Amino acid sequence: EGQLVESGGGLVQPGGSLRLSCTASGFTFSSYWMTWVRQAPGRGLEWVASINADGSKKFYVDSVKGRFTISRDNAYNSMFLHMNSLAAEDTAVYYCARHPAPGTIDYWGQGTLVIVSS
Amino acid sequence: DIVLTQSPLSLPVTLGQPASISCRSSQSLVDSDGNTYLNWFQQRPGQSPRRLLYKVSNRDSGVPDRFSGSGSGTDFTLKISRVEAEDVGIYYCMQGTQWPWTFGQGTKVEIK
Repeated sequence: EGQLVESGGGLVQPGGSLRLSCTASGFTFSSYWMTWVRQAPGRGLEWVASINADGSKKFYVDSVKGRFTISRDNAYNSMFLHMNSLAAEDTAVYYCARHPAPGTIDYWGQGTLVIVSS
Repeated sequence: DIVLTQSPLSLPVTLGQPASISCRSSQSLVDSDGNTYLNWFQQRPGQSPRRLLYKVSNRDSGVPDRFSGSGSGTDFTLKISRVEAEDVGIYYCMQGTQWPWTFGQGTKVEIK
């Protein structure tokens, strides 16, 4: 069964940057679209960004366009989320997830917490 | 963007009794390929979300058959035939038909 492990979260000041990583195992990573979903403390789920299998297509929620960049390195079974110009409203647990097919995600990681605060 | 509206937002249920959650979409979720990409997720306290159902009514492996999904177009329902203690958590619908993907606000299921 597949497994996803996120890392890279932490405390960052407003305006700062952070890079999140998601490492996959147990499935052929290079064959799947991947996604980031976030959850602010005590709040619901918000889709953030998705990337196709070869990294040539990327989609973002409007609130992060121009600030966040999703990328992947299939040689290392890894996906990344580069986050710039962070603001308090970006504080959340960030989950990576796998697309097994169009329009859905199945495996989720355990999440990594990003706190944007001075 | 497609807005998903769940109701109720809080659902106290007696053990062994049925429960039903509605998810209404601001637009039809039927894709140009004919599929309806409406998913249901369960998030137990302190855990990551877990997919229960995809394409409206397809149950994931390992999901008890007391969970079922129905609906079409803009109106969808998740039903739990007999609620068990392990079903406590927050349930989210999510549409993957149109970018940006969107989630409902979540419905908190608790035991009375």
